[in-house]
Amino acid sequence: GAVVSQHPSRVICKSGTSVKIECRSLDFQATTMFWYRQFPKQSLMLMATSNEGSKATYEQGVEKDKFLINHASLTLSTLTVTSAHPEDSSFYICSALRAGNSPLHFGNGTRLTVT
Amino acid sequence: KQEVTQIPAALSVPEGENLVLNCSFTDSAIYNLQWFRQDPGKGLTSLLLIQSSQREQTSGRLNASLDKSSGRSTLYIAASQPGDSATYLCAVWNNNDMRFGAGTRLTVKP
Repeated sequence: GAVVSQHPSRVICKSGTSVKIECRSLDFQATTMFWYRQFPKQSLMLMATSNEGSKATYEQGVEKDKFLINHASLTLSTLTVTSAHPEDSSFYICSALRAGNSPLHFGNGTRLTVT
Repeated sequence: KQEVTQIPAALSVPEGENLVLNCSFTDSAIYNLQWFRQDPGKGLTSLLLIQSSQREQTSGRLNASLDKSSGRSTLYIAASQPGDSATYLCAVWNNNDMRFGAGTRLTVKP
């Protein structure tokens, strides 16, 4: 079955540093990838939608200069949290969509803790 | 803009009960609706996918229905077990727009 790999699963970083999260579709080409954020005891919130080869579309309230998304190939999208602060500590999840009427596949998420 | 609502927000039942989780959406022009399970601190596990041309899907003790015209889906869990305790999320999506409900936190008491 289709698998989406997200790496790293956990990361702890100091305030002011940048963190890159990778999302790979392992056995299919993902035309679209979604990035979500989930704060404790809250629902998943869509941050941005990225299509291969084009700029990501960010949801209202999500700073595109802080959360850099790159979808350089049909199997890889990256989310970089730049100059991370403690309030950026959250659970980040990606999902990938194969072209056509197929289910979404999710990564296992990345737990980011900024100290 | 699509809005997805899940009712109830939380549900606690004794083991063995049958239960229904509800999901409603405002824009019926969807491609698919998908139900997920999320355990605390973990990623999402896909439970059932209903394509827009389908009315229901079944997997084991789970049955999901879809009524596009009324903007509703239900997830039926039969003979609930403590291991079913989790947050259940529904998501509706079309080609490039995907929205989650806030989820229903289910607790099944032994």
